Amino acid sequence: DIQMTQSPSSVSASVGDRVTFTCRASQGISSSLAWYQQKPGKAPKLLIYAASSLQSGVPSRFSGSGFGTDFTLTISSLQPEDSATYYCQQTNNFPLTFGPGTKVDIK
Amino acid sequence: QITLKESGPTLVKPTQTLTLTCTFSGFSLSTSGVGVGWIRQPPGKALEWLALIYWDDDKRYSPSLKSRLTITKDTSKNQVVLTMTNMDPVDTATYYCAHRREGIAARDFDYWGQGILVTVSS
Repeated sequence: DIQMTQSPSSVSASVGDRVTFTCRASQGISSSLAWYQQKPGKAPKLLIYAASSLQSGVPSRFSGSGFGTDFTLTISSLQPEDSATYYCQQTNNFPLTFGPGTKVDIK
Repeated sequence: QITLKESGPTLVKPTQTLTLTCTFSGFSLSTSGVGVGWIRQPPGKALEWLALIYWDDDKRYSPSLKSRLTITKDTSKNQVVLTMTNMDPVDTATYYCAHRREGIAARDFDYWGQGILVTVSS
């Protein structure tokens, strides 16, 4: 199985800050990575697929990059509604695997 | 508009079999390229993929749970059913069904149900 790790596990930032967090795969997965946002008590929401493609309806302040084993999700200007946990998922191989998540809090 | 909703028991006893139903609208599982998956999330923990069924009845399972899982589809009812045998308290989680994003080799999920919390306890 491909193991996914995320760092940091949590981050606290102010409204308007640029926030970047990372996801690492235990082996190369090309650009087969998705990012999800999950708010408490809600289902995950797809933000980014294929490492850098923005899902329809997702604000353009979200962007993804990376290839191979190292990936990043960037929020260019943090908004109050971005307080959530963010998960990465590799889609290269079965079994599909998710990272442990990065929790984003607003200062 | 694509919607999915999970249904089933919210409390099961250890060793029992869990049967969850995902009822969806806005797409058909008889259409080429369509897939529906199940993902679970123990309280306060990360997401775990369980299974995925495709329009052509191809099925994929998490290897760690494969012996306990069965995923089936009923195209006429717009439903996908997941059964998990020999339930244990560690299987306590919110179970989600989700629509596989359509695209060549896509294995991410663009529409999710609200989830159903299943507690395993005697």
